[in-house]
Amino acid sequence: EVQLVQSGAEVKKPGESLRISCKGSGYSFTSYWISWVRQMPGKGLEWMGRIDPSDSYTNYSPSFQGHVTISADKSISTAYLQWSSLKASDTAMYYCARRYCTNGVCYAFFDYWGQGTLVTVSS
Amino acid sequence: QSALTQPASVSGSPGQSITISCTGTSSDVGGYNYVSWYQQHPGKAPKLMIYDVSNRPSGVSNRFSGSKSGNTASLTISGLQAEDEADYYCSSYTSSSTLVFGTGTKVTVL
Repeated sequence: EVQLVQSGAEVKKPGESLRISCKGSGYSFTSYWISWVRQMPGKGLEWMGRIDPSDSYTNYSPSFQGHVTISADKSISTAYLQWSSLKASDTAMYYCARRYCTNGVCYAFFDYWGQGTLVTVSS
Repeated sequence: QSALTQPASVSGSPGQSITISCTGTSSDVGGYNYVSWYQQHPGKAPKLMIYDVSNRPSGVSNRFSGSKSGNTASLTISGLQAEDEADYYCSSYTSSSTLVFGTGTKVTVL
């Protein structure tokens, strides 16, 4: 069974750093890209960026480029989303999602999603 | 990179059909047949309903269908049921090799 299991909720103060995780299981982790999606309270979905776990190549939305870092450790089938200095406006639910790939080609949709990680940034 | 435009809300009675629009530009929706639709119930992760404009994943009811004309994609739910009440988001591949979501539509079953 394919699963994406995310790390638990976090409460942080502005200026602190944070890394949240997304562990894939039930499939070949390096064969599918992982994306991160933000959902601010009461708002819509926003695509943040993606990583190819096979070579750690990343691609970011212009809205998030330079504000977050996406990485992966293929040895433990885990992708990460990290911030070096959190802001109150980073308060949101963050989802990881698997981008469907087959025969070496990755398509523009997500077939599996993590359960979400709620990040709260407050002084 | 602006979000794709969706109506904020759409409603219908049980058994009726409703259609949700998703308007972009020639750099996203109009330029590629890579539009997908997601259903999200409160407090839950999104679920894929339609991919590549009109394809349904296995396990998704055939009451859900997708189409596209020019820069606007559409999701139609026929035979509306109470369980269809949720938020729906479209998504498209873009000319910048990124993805963009729509603004989201709340579907209410009257």
